[in-house]
Amino acid sequence: AQKITQTQPGMFVQEKEAVTLDCTYDTSDQSYGLFWYKQPSSGEMIFLIYQGSYDEQNATEGRYSLNFQKARKSANLVISASQLGDSAMYFCAMRELSGGYNKLIFGAGTRLAVHP
Amino acid sequence: NAGVTQTPKFQVLKTGQSMTLQCAQDMNHNSMYWYRQDPGMGLRLIYYSASEGTTDKGEVPNGYNVSRLNKREFSLRLESAAPSQTSVYFCASRGTPDSGYTFGSGTRLTVV
Repeated sequence: AQKITQTQPGMFVQEKEAVTLDCTYDTSDQSYGLFWYKQPSSGEMIFLIYQGSYDEQNATEGRYSLNFQKARKSANLVISASQLGDSAMYFCAMRELSGGYNKLIFGAGTRLAVHP
Repeated sequence: NAGVTQTPKFQVLKTGQSMTLQCAQDMNHNSMYWYRQDPGMGLRLIYYSASEGTTDKGEVPNGYNVSRLNKREFSLRLESAAPSQTSVYFCASRGTPDSGYTFGSGTRLTVV
C-alpha cells in the first residue's frame, strides 16, 4: 500500500496566487515526521518545510506553510504569492521508524507550473 | 559550503560493467542514504546506514551493494549493471530525526 499519496500529477497557478499541493500519508506510528521537498529542473532536492507529528501548530517557512490535519492524515503544502521560480516538482515525504531506523519515504510528486 | 557531495554527476555504462558511486558529507551526520529516482515514481530507498559500520537494505536493494567507509563516506556499487538500473541516484544524510535530510546533487546513470 502507498504510504505517501500525492494525487495531483500536475498543477497550474497564476503568478502571485496561492496554491495548495495535496499529500496524504499512511502510518500506524505515533511519532513521525512529514517533509516537503522542491526539485527544480536542475535536479537538486531542496528541503522546504517539516512538520512533526506532535507539533500542534502548522509549520511555516516564509511563503510555505504546511496544513497538517492529523486525523485525516493529510499534510498539504500551501505556497502563497506564487513566483515563476516556484515552477518545479514537489515531493511530500514521511519519516518513519522501521526496523529500528528512521527512513524517509517519498510520494510520486506533483509538478507545479506557475504562469505569468 | 557544507553539504553532500556526489561523484560522478553523469555516467554511461555498458550492460555488465561495474562502477561505484561516491558520496561524502561534511556535516558530521550519523545517517546516510542512497535513493534512486525514476520518472513518475518519486525517490525510492536503496540502502541506508544509520551509523558508521552499519548498513541495511531499503525498498529496492537488488543489484546494489554499499559500504560505509567512515562517518563521512557512503558508497554505492553496481557489480553488473543492467539497463533497469538506468536512473538518477541521490545520496542523502541526516542529523537528528527531526532535521531535514540533505541531498547531494545526484548522479545520472545510463546503462546501455
